[in-house]
Amino acid sequence: DTAVSQTPKYLVTQMGNDKSIKCEQNLGHDTMYWYKQDSKKFLKIMFSYNNKELIINETVPNRFSPKSPDKAHLNLHINSLELGDSAVYFCASSEWDRAAGELFFGEGSRLTVL
Amino acid sequence: AQTVTQSQPEMSVQEAETVTLSCTYDTSESDYYLFWYKQPPSRQMILVIRQEAYKQQNATENRFSVNFQKAAKSFSLKISDSQLGDAAMYFCASCYNTDKLIFGTGTRLQVFP
Repeated sequence: DTAVSQTPKYLVTQMGNDKSIKCEQNLGHDTMYWYKQDSKKFLKIMFSYNNKELIINETVPNRFSPKSPDKAHLNLHINSLELGDSAVYFCASSEWDRAAGELFFGEGSRLTVL
Repeated sequence: AQTVTQSQPEMSVQEAETVTLSCTYDTSESDYYLFWYKQPPSRQMILVIRQEAYKQQNATENRFSVNFQKAAKSFSLKISDSQLGDAAMYFCASCYNTDKLIFGTGTRLQVFP
């Protein structure tokens, strides 16, 4: 069983389109995250949710909107895609009460904007 | 700002040999956690080893160990008896008061037979 699963794994789309990436975790964790890894492999946090509540929102354009229907799911919707949005997006989860940052990652979703 | 620096973009090691990957960090916090994550070509990030800052003893996980120098804010990863499967990107990361991980820029490790 995959602990943190993301779909789709690959996404190719045109500039200006809107797309979503879905994430689900079956670990029973309270906190979920979205990280962005750019072409130079640099990983940076975008958002975190704890029990459906937004906790961390780094300086991300408001074209990016996370949605957490329940604590096992955290989806990422991106409006009006731009070339610079091309990256690998990682979903992750952790136990809230540990506050130790031990994250369990999904396999990533590679987004290519043409 | 809290930062994590990995000064070695690439390293290489021969199979069965030992290699050390460097990491330094900057924080004014007294309580924090440090991590090494591995990212193989499959892309999925995997936790290699974890160190609590309040523990003086260096963490060890089988062939992986760290050299944690708190005063110097240094957290290097030693891989002993390197195996072909160790080839990957390795990311050093830190976590302070929240669950937000700050990552370094990564070190690509090549393992030669």
